[in-house]
Amino acid sequence: KAGVTQTPRYLIKTRGQQVTLSCSPISGHRSVSWYQQTPGQGLQFLFEYFSETQRNKGNFPGRFSGRQFSNSRSEMNVSTLELGDSALYLCASSLAKGYTTEAFFGQGTRLTVV
Amino acid sequence: GEDVEQSLFLSVREGDSSVINCTYTDSSSTYLYWYKQEPGAGLQLLTYIFSNMDMKQDQRLTVLLNKKDKHLSLRIADTQTGDSAIYFCAEARVYGNNRLAFGKGNQVVVIP
Repeated sequence: KAGVTQTPRYLIKTRGQQVTLSCSPISGHRSVSWYQQTPGQGLQFLFEYFSETQRNKGNFPGRFSGRQFSNSRSEMNVSTLELGDSALYLCASSLAKGYTTEAFFGQGTRLTVV
Repeated sequence: GEDVEQSLFLSVREGDSSVINCTYTDSSSTYLYWYKQEPGAGLQLLTYIFSNMDMKQDQRLTVLLNKKDKHLSLRIADTQTGDSAIYFCAEARVYGNNRLAFGKGNQVVVIP
């Protein structure tokens, strides 16, 4: 059974640009969550999508957005990139049944903003 | 708040036991998790415990939960060099099934 796949693995962008990251969840998983990991702030929740709808949202500015497709694949977009957006972006997929949150993470996309 | 606290660094000799601690703030948390992150990698789910349990054992891993003190610990028996990594505890809140709040992580270095 394939794991969670994130593409690309590494990305370098310039301030002011926008970026789109992709996440393919484990087959059968309907929930995809996104997290930002930085040395200073640690792991912070961005948002969660379930059945193509955003179900939870963290405390990030509107420059951070996402969507989920009918096959459960998800993308997140960051517009008007800032230096502080440099981070490891992780997505996690889960079955999302009841309160169990057995979330499985991908390898992440390392974004560097210069 | 969303504070989950962990100590930062632990050094342990190969073959000894490691204990990593975590405190959390939300008494309504339903599940508590331990994740492992190796350099350059994503997070690997190690184990989890439901909030109505006190202990869970899974091979070399033992999780202890003290709900009164909001304290969670992970014991790794017979620590191996492959256990060198950063360990994160995380809690799932009632209001957000799939929203995890993570601690800052605890780096474990295993000395051969």
